[in-house]
Amino acid sequence: KAGVTQTPRYLIKTRGQQVTLSCSPISGHRSVSWYQQTPGQGLQFLFEYFSETQRNKGNFPGRFSGRQFSNSRSEMNVSTLELGDSALYLCASSTSAAEKLFFGSGTQLSVL
Amino acid sequence: DQQVKQNSPSLSVQEGRISILNCDYTNSMFDYFLWYKKYPAEGPTFLISISSIKDKNEDGRFTVFLNKSAKHLSLHIVPSQPGDSAVYFCAASALGNNDMRFGAGTRLTVKP
Repeated sequence: KAGVTQTPRYLIKTRGQQVTLSCSPISGHRSVSWYQQTPGQGLQFLFEYFSETQRNKGNFPGRFSGRQFSNSRSEMNVSTLELGDSALYLCASSTSAAEKLFFGSGTQLSVL
Repeated sequence: DQQVKQNSPSLSVQEGRISILNCDYTNSMFDYFLWYKKYPAEGPTFLISISSIKDKNEDGRFTVFLNKSAKHLSLHIVPSQPGDSAVYFCAASALGNNDMRFGAGTRLTVKP
């Protein structure tokens, strides 16, 4: 079974731009969660999608949004990028968000 | 809101000795706890878990202990090996909640 695939691996953007990150979950997994990892902050929960519906959202501003498609693939979007958005963005899939998560390798976003 | 806390950012142990990583949580609704291991440039990988109905779970060299009254769990690695050097994340979820919360991580270094 293929693992969780995230694209792209690296992104460099400038302040004010927007960015879209993509995640393909493990086949059969309907739950996709997104996390932001920054040094010292660990993994901060962004949001979780299940069957195209956002079921839960973390404490991030509205600039951070996401969606899930009928094939369970998910995208997250960050608009009006700020320097502090520089981080590793991790996607994880599972059969249920409260169960064991399987992570992708992440997208390293740098905002200049 | 840091519902899951790992207060030790780093830990260094000698090969062959025991490594003990600690984690505290504040949300009494959490009933499922996990440890993940992360190498640089990779996503976290699941290591071991424990449900709230147990106080101990073993898997080879890894044992997780749960003290519900103290809202504390720990991961023991015996014996520690250089390949165990990584960042370890503690995570927790609650039945019916559609998210998993992570601590800030502890960087373990096992010296040969």
